[in-house]
Amino acid sequence: KAGVTQTPRYLIKTRGQQVTLSCSPISGHRSVSWYQQTPGQGLQFLFEYFSETQRNKGNFPGRFSGRQFSNSRSEMNVSTLELGDSALYLCASSLDGTETGYGYTFGSGTRLTVV
Amino acid sequence: GNSVTQMEGPVTLSEEAFLTINCTYTATGYPSLFWYVQYPGEGLQLLLKATKADDKGSNKGFEATYRKETTSFHLEKGSVQVSDSAVYFCALIPSNDYKLSFGAGTTVTVRA
Repeated sequence: KAGVTQTPRYLIKTRGQQVTLSCSPISGHRSVSWYQQTPGQGLQFLFEYFSETQRNKGNFPGRFSGRQFSNSRSEMNVSTLELGDSALYLCASSLDGTETGYGYTFGSGTRLTVV
Repeated sequence: GNSVTQMEGPVTLSEEAFLTINCTYTATGYPSLFWYVQYPGEGLQLLLKATKADDKGSNKGFEATYRKETTSFHLEKGSVQVSDSAVYFCALIPSNDYKLSFGAGTTVTVRA
């Protein structure tokens, strides 16, 4: 079956702009999480959605937001981009997020570069 | 809070050498523990997992045992190959949460 699909793979944006990233989970998965990966901070949790509701949120400023649609696809938005937002953004899906040890399946990520 | 500490890299090995990457954690309750692997330019792939004390996760020759008494989940492989060159992440999910907490990652390079 198809894996987790993230689009686009690469993005270059200018400071001050906004950006929207998309994630399509594995069919049947209803939980979608987002993570930011940078060389300095490593992998950091952004937020998690289940059935269109945000259940958990990491310690990121309000410029970072997300949503989930009825088909479980998710988007995340970053407004007023800063140079420090340059990162690999990873999306992960799971059946329902109540971890019984299955783990999350990750997409290949979107590489965002802010110039 | 919840945290994962793994040995710093980079680690450079010769083919067929023994690999071990140490991982210890801090968490309340009984978390599930994972090892993920990231190849260059790719996302994370689940390598193995363990959900309770004394469980052993294994996959592709890699093994890790959930040790609650030492709060550890060390990754081992008896004979590495060049194709094992990657970044390895130890991670946990607490029993009452939905988010993964990751270690800093360990870069492993295997030379032929």
